[in-house]
Parts: sequence; C-alpha cells; structure tokens
Amino acid sequence: ETGVTQTPRHLVMGMTNKKSLKCEQHLGHNAMYWYKQSAKKPLELMFVYSLEERVENNSVPSRFSPECPNSSHLFLHLHTLQPEDSALYLCASSQERTVSYEQFFGPGTRLTVL
Amino acid sequence: GIQVEQSPPDLILQEGANSTLRCNFSDSVNNLQWFHQNPWGQLINLFYIPSGTKQNGRLSATTVATERYSLLYISSSQTTDSGVYFCAKRGAGSYQLTFGKGTKLSVIP
Repeated sequence: ETGVTQTPRHLVMGMTNKKSLKCEQHLGHNAMYWYKQSAKKPLELMFVYSLEERVENNSVPSRFSPECPNSSHLFLHLHTLQPEDSALYLCASSQERTVSYEQFFGPGTRLTVL
Repeated sequence: GIQVEQSPPDLILQEGANSTLRCNFSDSVNNLQWFHQNPWGQLINLFYIPSGTKQNGRLSATTVATERYSLLYISSSQTTDSGVYFCAKRGAGSYQLTFGKGTKLSVIP
C-alpha cells in the first residue's frame, strides 16, 4: 500500500448503528486529519492529530469520536448519526515541523445515513 | 477568518483548449495547495506552491503572494482533466486547510 488508504470506501448505516472509519498513512507523516465534504459545501476540517495528540477540534458533534492509536492510524467512530451526516469523509496526513506542510488525502469513505 | 475564493465556478472546454483557474485570498499566503478531485471523490495533489511558479506536464501554477492570488494553468486539455479543482490555504499557526468552493471543469471531445 502507498499513500493514504481508507476503509470502507462506502458505508450505509442506520441512525442507531455504530460503525468506524479507518485511515492508514504509509508516508511516515506525524499528523493526521479528518475532513468532511457535504454536497454543495466546501471541505470542512473535523479533527487533527499531531504526534498522536488531538490538536484541533472544530466544534464537531459528540456523535463523531476520533481515535489515533499511533502516527500511522486514525479512526473515526460513528454512533447515532443523523441523515444530514451523510457525506464524503476524507482522511489526510502531513509532516509537521518541516519546510513543507503539504497535506495528502485518502480516497474517502462515502457515508449514507438512513 | 481566512477566505478563499475561486473563479470561475464552472468551466466547459473543448478538448485541446487552454484554461486559467484563479484563486484569491483574504490575507497573506504562506502555504497553498491545488487539488484535482476526480468523479470518485479522490483529492489528487497537483501543486504545493506558497509562492513562485511550478510546472508539471500540461499543468502549471503561479502564486503571487504579495497580491494574494494563485493561478492554475491547464494547457491542451483532455477529457480526463474533467472534475473539480480546488485551491486550499493554510493559515499561520493552524493545521487547517481552508478550501475554496472549487472550479468544476468539463472537457468535451
């Protein structure tokens, strides 16, 4: 595997389900991100982990819960979601404290909440 | 907050034509990226270009930091260039990339 990978690529869940999205980066980076892309809206940052510590949290509802067990893996745990949470969820990574802060994105998980 | 504005919002080109996409910022540029989002949603890195000019094949980008804008040039467009092009800027002291609303490009044969 190369770059940033995400699983699953598609997910359909009911409002009472609990599911998790997984992201893995193979770039040796030290920061990982969750972004949300809804229809007709710009990409929005949800969470940032740098050196495995959460450093930014942009007022995301508690039904979204991130987890970063190590610098290569990032999870987004989902529970009791709403239909308006249906969106494309993108994971990204970057190498911080260096000359370039370029972010690289995974292919995304397309989530549908029924 | 940081504002990122892209123009035009939509663009239709005949295959082989050239185009210029623009990105304006509300404050200073110190970290800027251009992406192409394909129909499956994948964001593909095109350029990391906080200043100056870079070229990669038929694509090139220029950022004029003092005037707060960046341009993406696509030459000899192909149908595979279709998709949405985003510019995104990262503010000083923040991890967040602030994205523009994108330019939707359709290249027709």
